[in-house]
Amino acid sequence: ELKVEQNPLFLSMQEGKNYTIYCNYSTTSDRLYWYRQDPGKSLESLFVLLSNGAVKQEGRLMASLDTKARLSTLHITAAVHDLSATYFCAVDLRRGQGNLIFGKGTKLSVKP
Amino acid sequence: DTGVSQNPRHKITKRGQNVTFRCDPISEHNRLYWYRQTLGQGPEFLTYFQNEAQLEKSRLLSDRFSAERPKGSFSTLEIQRTEQGDSAMYLCASSLVGTGAREAFFGQGTRLTVV
Repeated sequence: ELKVEQNPLFLSMQEGKNYTIYCNYSTTSDRLYWYRQDPGKSLESLFVLLSNGAVKQEGRLMASLDTKARLSTLHITAAVHDLSATYFCAVDLRRGQGNLIFGKGTKLSVKP
Repeated sequence: DTGVSQNPRHKITKRGQNVTFRCDPISEHNRLYWYRQTLGQGPEFLTYFQNEAQLEKSRLLSDRFSAERPKGSFSTLEIQRTEQGDSAMYLCASSLVGTGAREAFFGQGTRLTVV
């Protein structure tokens, strides 16, 4: 059974600092997604990582995928308050043919 | 059509009652998913449709749950004889499956409270 583990589950940062969120998964997969969720809202797609070594960047967020290590990272550069949200990684077991398995999420709070 | 639409947004029901939720996916999307999310957890897969065919159901989907997508467009999720443990956010997502990878786009969810 596929397990997706994120750490940390809670992260309190100061504005301007850098940090990394980790997503480990237990079964071979070469597709991984990152989503953002604001309180009471739905999930917003951030990144789609489709192969080993994939790296994508959008603003202050950068995501990478190492399929051999079964690890994805979401790096936050110079955090700002607007990045406060819960971030989920999700693994696709069957190359788009099935459902996503989500981690528990990392609740990020960026303080001035 | 700007995204996945779910109705109602909130539903409070008494234990033992039946409830039905509706999801309208992005119009050209052929894949539709239902997930359940409880407080502090990630979404958990319930079921998905490819066009009108229901292709997979999770073990979480007990006999009290039924989902349909009769014409391959909107979908409904019905919960019969609701229990307090059914209280959660029910999320619908859609995607276009074909060539290449397409991420799933989520609706705003229906928050169910069973009292």
